Amino acid sequence: SAVISQKPSRDICQRGTSLTIQCQVDSQVTMMFWYRQQPGQSLTLIATANQGSEATYESGFVIDKFPISRPNLTFSTLTVSNMSPEDSSIYLCSVETPGVGAGVYGYTFGSGTRLTVV
Amino acid sequence: DAKTTQPNSMESNEEEPVHLPCNHSTISGTDYIHWYRQLPSQGPEYVIHGLTSNVNNRMASLAIAEDRKSSTLILHRATLRDAAVYYCILRDRGGSNYKLTFGKGTLLTVNP
Repeated sequence: SAVISQKPSRDICQRGTSLTIQCQVDSQVTMMFWYRQQPGQSLTLIATANQGSEATYESGFVIDKFPISRPNLTFSTLTVSNMSPEDSSIYLCSVETPGVGAGVYGYTFGSGTRLTVV
Repeated sequence: DAKTTQPNSMESNEEEPVHLPCNHSTISGTDYIHWYRQLPSQGPEYVIHGLTSNVNNRMASLAIAEDRKSSTLILHRATLRDAAVYYCILRDRGGSNYKLTFGKGTLLTVNP
C-alpha cells in the first residue's frame, strides 16, 4: 500500500493566521482526500482532490477557508485560513489505493497534523 | 451513503476473541462492507472488507449475515495493540464517488 508523509505533525498557531499542511505520497495516486477530526470525534471529509481539477468540497466546507492544491499525482496541500480556536483539530490526508481486493480500492491515511489555535 | 450502527464501546480481555457488531439495514446490493481501525494518535488503517461471503485475513475475520443487513468483525485473540476505535463503513463499489464516510465507531478496550 502507499506510504504517506504528512507535515507538520503538529503546530500551535495564532488566531487569524493560516497554516498549510503538506501530504506527500510515495506513489502516484488519482484521488486524495482531506479529513478533519475534531477532539473526541470521528473523521469528517473536507474535500476530495483530483490532480488537474478543482477540489470537491463537502457540505459545510468552503474553498476560501480550506484552499487545496494538487499540483501532481504524489502531492497535495491543505491550507487552513484565518484560523480560530474552533479550527483546532487533527487534519488527515488519505489516498485511494488499489490492491485490497479485485476491483476494490482501499484507503491509506497519513498520521495527521494536530493543530491547536490559540 | 448507507448508514451503519455500532456500539459506542466494548471491552475485552487480552488473548480472548472479540466480536464487534455492525448493523447496516439499508445496505444496497453494490455496497462493500469495509472495516478500518484507528489506533491512538494515528490515522485510520484498513482491517478487512467483504461483499457477501465471510472473509479472513491475517488481522481479522469478517462474518456477513445472509441478508447483509449486519456484519461482525472478529479478532480471534485480542492483544493490547488491538485497542482502538473500529469503524464499519459501507462503500458503493459502483459509484463514482469514492469517499469513505465515517460514523462514530466502537472504542475497543483490551484489558491485560
